[in-house]
Amino acid sequence: NAGVTQTPKFQVLKTGQSMTLQCAQDMNHEYMSWYRQDPGMGLRLIHYSVGAGITDQGEVPNGYNVSRSTTEDFPLRLLSAAPSQTSVYFCASSDRGIYEQYFGPGTRLTVT
Amino acid sequence: RKEVEQDPGPFNVPEGATVAFNCTYSNSASQSFFWYRQDCRKEPKLLMSVYSSGNEDGRFTAQLNRASQYISLLIRDSKLSDSATYLCVVNPGLEYGNKLVFGAGTILRVKS
Repeated sequence: NAGVTQTPKFQVLKTGQSMTLQCAQDMNHEYMSWYRQDPGMGLRLIHYSVGAGITDQGEVPNGYNVSRSTTEDFPLRLLSAAPSQTSVYFCASSDRGIYEQYFGPGTRLTVT
Repeated sequence: RKEVEQDPGPFNVPEGATVAFNCTYSNSASQSFFWYRQDCRKEPKLLMSVYSSGNEDGRFTAQLNRASQYISLLIRDSKLSDSATYLCVVNPGLEYGNKLVFGAGTILRVKS
C-alpha cells in the first residue's frame, strides 16, 4: 500500500495563479482532510470530507476549494494564490475522523 | 487563549536522560487526546493515544489530568533517534465537529 500520496512535493506560484494540490489514499478511508502548517502554529484544518460527495469547511477555508468525487481522491484547489498561502500543506486520511490520521508527505508551496 | 498550548522548546537533553513535555487544552469537554511525532520536514505520525488511566509504550508514558486540563509525555532513556517535534493533539468533542486540534509542537533534541 502506498498510503497517502500528495503531488507535487514543491510548488512556486505567482500571486493570482490557481492550482490544484492532489491527494490520494489507497486505504479505503472515508475521512480525509487538508491541513496547512506554518512556523510556530499547529496544523490548521482547511477542509475535510467524511465520504465521497460530502465536504465541509475547517478552521481556515477561505481561498481554497475541495471536492470528493471518489473515496480515494481529495484534491485541494487554490483559487487565486496569495503570499499568505505560502505554507506546507498536508493531506490526511482516517477510517474514523477522531482517531489516527495518516498523513501524506506534504506539499511545500511558495507564493511570490 | 489557544485551544492547545505547548512549550515550543527546544529541549536539549543528553542521551539516556528522562524528559517530560506538558500540554494544556482549553475545552474541558474534550474527548480524546494524542501525541504525534513529526521529524524535520516530514509528515506527522501517531506516537500514542492518551487514556484517562495513563498508558505506557516502551520508553514512552502518556498521562491525562482532566481536572487541570493537561496531558503529558514522558520519555525515558532518550535516544538520538527521539529527536523530533512532538505534537499534542486534542479532539474537542462533538460540539466542534469531532475534529482534531493540533498544538504547535515541542522540539526535542537529544545529543550524544
